[in-house]
Amino acid sequence: EADIYQTPRYLVIGTGKKITLECSQTMGHDKMYWYQQDPGMELHLIHYSYGVNSTEKGDLSSESTVSRIRTEHFPLTLESARPSHTSQYLCASGTVFDEQYFGPGTRLTVT
Amino acid sequence: TQLLEQSPQFLSIQEGENLTVYCNSSSVFSSLQWYRQEPGEGPVLLVTVVTGGEVKKLKRLTFQFGDARKDSSLHITAAQPGDTGLYLCGAGGTSYGKLTFGQGTILTVHP
Repeated sequence: EADIYQTPRYLVIGTGKKITLECSQTMGHDKMYWYQQDPGMELHLIHYSYGVNSTEKGDLSSESTVSRIRTEHFPLTLESARPSHTSQYLCASGTVFDEQYFGPGTRLTVT
Repeated sequence: TQLLEQSPQFLSIQEGENLTVYCNSSSVFSSLQWYRQEPGEGPVLLVTVVTGGEVKKLKRLTFQFGDARKDSSLHITAAQPGDTGLYLCGAGGTSYGKLTFGQGTILTVHP
């Protein structure tokens, strides 16, 4: 079944640690996205990709980085986590008609 | 930057009542999607509208795209507690592959 996966679902980590949030999709979509969202609030685009070896920064400035070496995989990395990075991170993939399909999210807490 | 304004921001109603959520912009969009998000999960795509004046129905939910493709509405008939969630509109077409999202409407339906 075509789907989009994110791991881990929850992550509590100390300040200064390096973390990677995983995102994989089996829908064959070229376009993928990372959003940051606080509970009940709007989505903020932080990174996107139109295909392999393509990555762009989104509308909200973020200290995270992304890579797109394979179509199905779009991981996000924070080199040194800080409490201000505490948030929910949502990965999505998109169709040619701009419909986006979201993963379940990773809830990150930095202590 | 295109602005997509959703209203109301919060909506608290009793089971069985009807409600309408609005999504407005001064920009013309090629498509507009509505999503529903439950706490701790990613948004789920409900519908996509692409033609001015288009009306789509999904059980008790009715979606309309404005004639000029600048606005949309979501109407729920006889709301149920299971309709509770964050409703987001997202519009595309002006920046390749990127959606502009509204701020969201938090709907609470009380039994």
